[in-house]
Amino acid sequence: GENVEQHPSTLSVQEGDSAVIKCTYSDSASNYFPWYKQELGKRPQLIIDIRSNVGEKKDQRIAVTLNKTAKHFSLHITETQPEDSAVYFCAGGRYSTLTFGKGTMLLVSP
Amino acid sequence: GAVVSQHPSWVICKSGTSVKIECRSLDFQATTMFWYRQFPKQSLMLMATSNEGSKATYEQGVEKDKFLINHASLTLSTLTVTSAHPEDSSFYICSAKKVDTIYFGEGSWLTVV
Repeated sequence: GENVEQHPSTLSVQEGDSAVIKCTYSDSASNYFPWYKQELGKRPQLIIDIRSNVGEKKDQRIAVTLNKTAKHFSLHITETQPEDSAVYFCAGGRYSTLTFGKGTMLLVSP
Repeated sequence: GAVVSQHPSWVICKSGTSVKIECRSLDFQATTMFWYRQFPKQSLMLMATSNEGSKATYEQGVEKDKFLINHASLTLSTLTVTSAHPEDSSFYICSAKKVDTIYFGEGSWLTVV
């Protein structure tokens, strides 16, 4: 089955800095890679996703890149704000069966 | 986005009793729903895939007789934790697929005392 590794486990940045979270996957057949933001005790919220036929996708301050050859994908958040503080999960898979990374706790200090 | 609702949000039960958690897709039909368990400060672990009108598919290591899943309609899947024990205390969350995007329910906190 799919195995998704996520790094780092914690990330602290200053407000206004950029944050990058990286994930690798093992199953070359995986074709869907969403990123979720989860605040404590709440449901994960989809923030951006990318499919295997695209190399990069951007939505305002958030961007995701995918390297199918190397089997890794990354989340980039620019101009971070305190409200970006949360746990971020990457996931990968196909036909909607997702395997999640272990999560990255992002802390943005004012 | 689509709405997936879970009930209850919080439940406390005595050890040895059973607890049912409902997952509903409010504005779309979901032939497939997914159940996850999340322990504090850990990731989401897929427990099973719930298929409308057929048996659920369980992940390795998940006891199907303990975690009963029923998906009797296109908008409702239920997870029943049978003979619950304190180690079953966790955050249980469901998700459903609409077209090609996964949406999560609010989650249910289960505490077994």
